[in-house]
Amino acid sequence: AQSVAQPEDQVNVAEGNPLTVKCTYSVSGNPYLFWYVQYPNRGLQFLLKYITGDNLVKGSYGFEAEFNKSQTSFHLKKPSALVSDSALYFCAVRDGASGGSYIPTFGRGTSLIVHP
Amino acid sequence: DAGVIQSPRHEVTEMGQEVTLRCKPISGHDYLFWYRQTMMRGLELLIYFNNNVPIDDSGMPEDRFSAKMPNASFSTLKIQPSEPRDSAVYFCASRTGTGELFFGEGSRLTVL
Repeated sequence: AQSVAQPEDQVNVAEGNPLTVKCTYSVSGNPYLFWYVQYPNRGLQFLLKYITGDNLVKGSYGFEAEFNKSQTSFHLKKPSALVSDSALYFCAVRDGASGGSYIPTFGRGTSLIVHP
Repeated sequence: DAGVIQSPRHEVTEMGQEVTLRCKPISGHDYLFWYRQTMMRGLELLIYFNNNVPIDDSGMPEDRFSAKMPNASFSTLKIQPSEPRDSAVYFCASRTGTGELFFGEGSRLTVL
């Protein structure tokens, strides 16, 4: 079985400050991890993913995420938040093991609000 | 590529009417997914197809819901008869071999 948790429904941060959106996961095999962003009245857009390799993954719009196997986490980060980053962020996981589910499980989403 | 294309973007209908939502996936993608998003339940997977074949429809809420994929470039999600609790945003997504999903802009359904 695979699952993902986003412990915060909402994150508030001031523009220019660093931001972190948290995600923890559970899979039987190797995790394939993803972050998506959803702007109002839009579909989800892919931001970045971790499959293998460097634990720090860089993605679109200056976002990055750090894979931490021991803590089973994949937190999304950005050094300096912009008001335009305000959106709903989804973490997703799927099991990369042979025979594992090819279907990602999504978290419930975290609303990021960046204040001017 | 134009991305995943969904139609209609907005649909308002009355209870009991048939609703058909349409999706054109990205060319070459072998998986197609239908999701439903509501405030209360978040993002729910309804059904997915692999190479046009339905693989898992366990997320379809009731027999009133059905989905088809007659060819690699087209899929429909049908609700018959529709009910007010079906009001939601319905997303179609398709997938590359590397695993990330590409979502359409969604179809916002309101059932009165």
